[in-house]
Amino acid sequence: DAKTTQPTSMDCAEGRAANLPCNHSTISGNEYVYWYRQIHSQGPQYIIHGLKNNETNEMASLIITEDRKSSTLILPHATLRDTAVYYCIVRVFGNEKLTFGTGTRLTIIP
Amino acid sequence: DVKVTQSSRYLVKRTGEKVFLECVQDMDHENMFWYRQDPGLGLRLIYFSYDVKMKEKGDIPEGYSVSREKKERFSLILESASTNQTSMYLCASSAAGTDYEQYFGPGTRLTVT
Repeated sequence: DAKTTQPTSMDCAEGRAANLPCNHSTISGNEYVYWYRQIHSQGPQYIIHGLKNNETNEMASLIITEDRKSSTLILPHATLRDTAVYYCIVRVFGNEKLTFGTGTRLTIIP
Repeated sequence: DVKVTQSSRYLVKRTGEKVFLECVQDMDHENMFWYRQDPGLGLRLIYFSYDVKMKEKGDIPEGYSVSREKKERFSLILESASTNQTSMYLCASSAAGTDYEQYFGPGTRLTVT
């Protein structure tokens, strides 16, 4: 699976959009981009995934660049409950496993 | 809602003890996974199972074994616990097929003294 690079930490003001970047420059054509988050003292939680088109669900939006070498997770109106570690994962289609990195620690500031 | 439960939130064991960590899921998922999480290292896959009695090694299987006798239950076994196995252990499950997300349990914080 391709490796990912994320900033170690980020802050965002409550109510603003939180934009979390992820670099995956070695991604190949059969690899999906997944995002999970882990709130303190809980297990990771799935957020969203995509292949090459932008995706949106009730939690977030995922923007993947045209060359697929990077992506951005957008939390449109961040709340204090969004404070968590966010993991960007690249996963080969057909591979059941996820490989987690160290993620981005997002802190939402009141 | 999918529920993945783990037998204990906190566990303290002595070096050399045999340790069982239990995980149960209620969504009839085919796949189950065991990870450990350590500061600075993220989550690392220990073992996973894609069917009853089937298992595959993950990235760090040394010192661990697993058992899956029933579809809903996946056990992680530390045959002889050591202090370097002190960690947070997370269980997850998913439906078969890579388009399905993994659902995680709350974790078991194991301390080996």
